[in-house]
Amino acid sequence: ETGVTQTPRHLVMGMTNKKSLKCEQHLGHNAMYWYKQSAKKPLELMFVYSLEERVENNSVPSRFSPECPNSSHLFLHLHTLQPEDSALYLCASSQALEGGGYTFGSGTRLTVV
Amino acid sequence: QKEVEQDPGPLSVPEGAIVSLNCTYSNSAFQYFMWYRQYSRKGPELLMYTYSSGNKEDGRFTAQVDKSSKYISLFIRDSQPSDSATYLCAMSVGQGAQKLVFGQGTRLTINP
Repeated sequence: ETGVTQTPRHLVMGMTNKKSLKCEQHLGHNAMYWYKQSAKKPLELMFVYSLEERVENNSVPSRFSPECPNSSHLFLHLHTLQPEDSALYLCASSQALEGGGYTFGSGTRLTVV
Repeated sequence: QKEVEQDPGPLSVPEGAIVSLNCTYSNSAFQYFMWYRQYSRKGPELLMYTYSSGNKEDGRFTAQVDKSSKYISLFIRDSQPSDSATYLCAMSVGQGAQKLVFGQGTRLTINP
C-alpha cells in the first residue's frame, strides 16, 4: 500500500448509529488531517494532528471525535449524526515544518439517513 | 468576505484550448500557494506548489502568483479530455502543519 488509504469508501448510517472512519498513511509524514467536503462549499478543515498535538476547528460539532494513536493512523468516530453531516470526508497527511502540500486519500462518502 | 474566492464554473472548453483558472484572496499573509486537481470519486491531488510571487511551469501547466493583487492563476496549455476535473486552489501562511485554506473549486470539462 502506498499513499493515504481511507476505509470504508462508502458508509450509510442512521442518526442513532456509531461508526468510525479510518485513515492510514504510508508516507512517513508527521501530520494528519480530517477535511469535510460538501457540495458547492470549500474544503472545511475539521482536525489536525501534528507532532502528537491536536488542533481542531472549534466549529466542528462534538458528535465528531478524532483519534490519532500514532503518526500513521487516524480515526474519525461518528455518533448521533444529522442528515446535514452527509458529505465526503477526506483524510490527508503532510510533513510538518516542511513545504510540499498535502497528500489526500480518496475519501469516505458518508450518507446519514 | 471569504478568505479565498474561486469561480465554481462549470467551465467547458474544446480540446487544445488554453485554460485559465483563477483565485483571489484577502489574507496578505498567505505565502504558499497550491493547485489541486480532483477527479470524480477521488481525493484532491497536488498539481503545483509555489512560494511567494512569480511563475512556475511544469509541462503543460503554469502557475502564477501576484501577491500585490492577491491573485493566483493556473494555465493549462494544449488541454486534453483527461484534464477534465475540478481544480482547487489552496494557500497557507506557513509551511508547518499548515492550515490550508481552499477555494470552492472550478469544475472544468475539456470537450474532444
